[in-house]
Amino acid sequence: SQTIHQWPATLVQPVGSPLSLECTVEGTSNPNLYWYRQAAGRGLQLLFYSVGIGQISSEVPQNLSASRPQDRQFILSSKKLLLSDSGFYLCAWSPGTGAGTDTQYFGPGTRLTVL
Amino acid sequence: AQSVTQLGSHVSVSEGALVLLRCNYSSSVPPYLFWYVQYPNQGLQLLLKYTSAATLVKGINGFEAEFKKSETSFHLTKPSAHMSDAAEYFCAVSRTGGGNKLTFGTGTQLKVEL
Repeated sequence: SQTIHQWPATLVQPVGSPLSLECTVEGTSNPNLYWYRQAAGRGLQLLFYSVGIGQISSEVPQNLSASRPQDRQFILSSKKLLLSDSGFYLCAWSPGTGAGTDTQYFGPGTRLTVL
Repeated sequence: AQSVTQLGSHVSVSEGALVLLRCNYSSSVPPYLFWYVQYPNQGLQLLLKYTSAATLVKGINGFEAEFKKSETSFHLTKPSAHMSDAAEYFCAVSRTGGGNKLTFGTGTQLKVEL
């Protein structure tokens, strides 16, 4: 069966510091990968998605970037955090081919607080 | 462009009562529709999905949803609420245009009272 991991679970960072959040998927190959942000009291905003190694699409202009160095690894980064980057970050995956490519499965999330 | 609207950001029911969470969609093509549940400080868990097979879809934890094309709705129901159902529920619609992306509603917080 497939599992998705995110770490760290929680993070408190000062404004202006760098950020690196990691997401890995096990039990599948060539998944589509997604990064979402969930701000307090708001819905899910898709930040980035990837259909393969090194292939990243950005949904909204922002202070963040994403990379996919390996097939089942997705990293969310920032060089300098802003207060507005605070939120709950969720990674998700969907099958890259075959049935169910439209169905996304979510990781446990990372709570980021920027002070 | 595809979109979903969830009516009611907060819904409160008594334990044992019917749960009804509303979702209306807008799509220019036959949609795939999803309901997810999120417990506090956790990721989203798939409850059920509609992919143009049966219009009544049964999911986990006793939830079901009915696709009604004439009403462009995909409401989520459960006959009898349990305290453990208290969570936030999100409706989502698949987007066209590649990448297998979803557009989520703003969520409905379900509170279950004794």
